[in-house]
Amino acid sequence: DAKTTQPTSMDCAEGRAANLPCNHSTISGNEYVYWYRQIHSQGPQYIIHGLKNNETNEMASLIITEDRKSSTLILPHATLRDTAVYYCINAGNMLTFGGGTRLMVKP
Amino acid sequence: GAGVSQSPRYKVAKRGQDVALRCDPISGHVSLFWYQQALGQGPEFLTYFQNEAQLDKSGLPSDRFFAERPEGSVSTLKIQRTQQEDSAVYLCASSPRGGANTGELFFGEGSRLTVL
Repeated sequence: DAKTTQPTSMDCAEGRAANLPCNHSTISGNEYVYWYRQIHSQGPQYIIHGLKNNETNEMASLIITEDRKSSTLILPHATLRDTAVYYCINAGNMLTFGGGTRLMVKP
Repeated sequence: GAGVSQSPRYKVAKRGQDVALRCDPISGHVSLFWYQQALGQGPEFLTYFQNEAQLDKSGLPSDRFFAERPEGSVSTLKIQRTQQEDSAVYLCASSPRGGANTGELFFGEGSRLTVL
């Protein structure tokens, strides 16, 4: 699977939007972009995925650039419970996790 | 249960001991994955089952690692002659779909293995 690049860590103020970028410049045409998060001592949790259109669900929004080489996960109103490691993955048959972005939401 | 269940949650083994880690996927889920997560790292793929068939075992680090899913539901990951470098959290995940793009996975909480 192709690799993704994410910042190692980010901070966000509670109540503000958290925008987490991901670069996936080598993504193939039929590979989806998936986002997962992992809260300390828990297994990863699915957030959202998309192919080329922007997507929104109850947890987050996913903005994918027109050339599909990058995407941004948006948590519109971050809470302390959103503190976690966020993984951006482009996937075929299985998920290949990278190092992710450690998001710290601060009061 | 409603989610993926793994047991034991914690296992301490002496170097050279054999261990077995169990995964109960969500009922009816076709695909089952095992991942290894070292401290401070992202999960690393180990192996993948579609029903009882092990379709990919390319991530197993050595022939000491063996996984099975004989009836297409419960899976066991066995590690023989454990080494200190095997210390990690072993995560199991399942998906209702098989084939390509099974990416919406449901993970268990993992089994933390410590080899002394």
